[in-house]
Amino acid sequence: SAVISQKPSRDICQRGTSLTIQCQVDSQVTMMFWYRQQPGQSLTLIATANQGSEATYESGFVIDKFPISRPNLTFSTLTVSNMSPEDSSIYLCSVDPRGQLYGYTFGSGTRLTVV
Amino acid sequence: AQSVSQHNHHVILSEAASLELGCNYSYGGTVNLFWYVQYPGQHLQLLLKYFSGDPLVKGIKGFEAEFIKSKFSFNLRKPSVQWSDTAEYFCAVNPDMGRRALTFGSGTRLQVQP
Repeated sequence: SAVISQKPSRDICQRGTSLTIQCQVDSQVTMMFWYRQQPGQSLTLIATANQGSEATYESGFVIDKFPISRPNLTFSTLTVSNMSPEDSSIYLCSVDPRGQLYGYTFGSGTRLTVV
Repeated sequence: AQSVSQHNHHVILSEAASLELGCNYSYGGTVNLFWYVQYPGQHLQLLLKYFSGDPLVKGIKGFEAEFIKSKFSFNLRKPSVQWSDTAEYFCAVNPDMGRRALTFGSGTRLQVQP
């Protein structure tokens, strides 16, 4: 299965600042997904990122707050903008490498704390 | 909207006890079903998955799950748990092939006592 390198693994940020999270995949994938896992809660999909097109955001998430880049088939970034303490979460990227739902692979996550 | 329910939020078992974690989903069409595990400090790992065929699915580390379509359920089982099974378990569903992303349940924290 695909291997995802996600960084940073954790960060503590001041409110009002922005953080960019990177995900690098060791193979080419069509779709990359970004999730948020708030403390004690499940994973919630933020957006789906396709190479060469705008990301598709889920209800409650907007591009101005969570801009996503997908410059090629192995890389994507998620930026958490103008952060507030409510943004403190674990952010994960995920891919479906074979395109046939053989098993989604997840990055190790970025634990973000906003103070 | 699709949803996934995991009824057990926190389960505490002794080693060698049997395990069953419930998972129900709300979607009337064809679904793909997954169980993921997250060990402390580690990333999500796929335990098992169901797409079609035999509704009893066997996964890694002795886990299995049974898909019961009439009950919209996909419960996870293990006949004898070990201390190393202490982790968070997530049920996930992909009910919409076009959407492709997973919808997760709230998770079940399993604590196995030696």
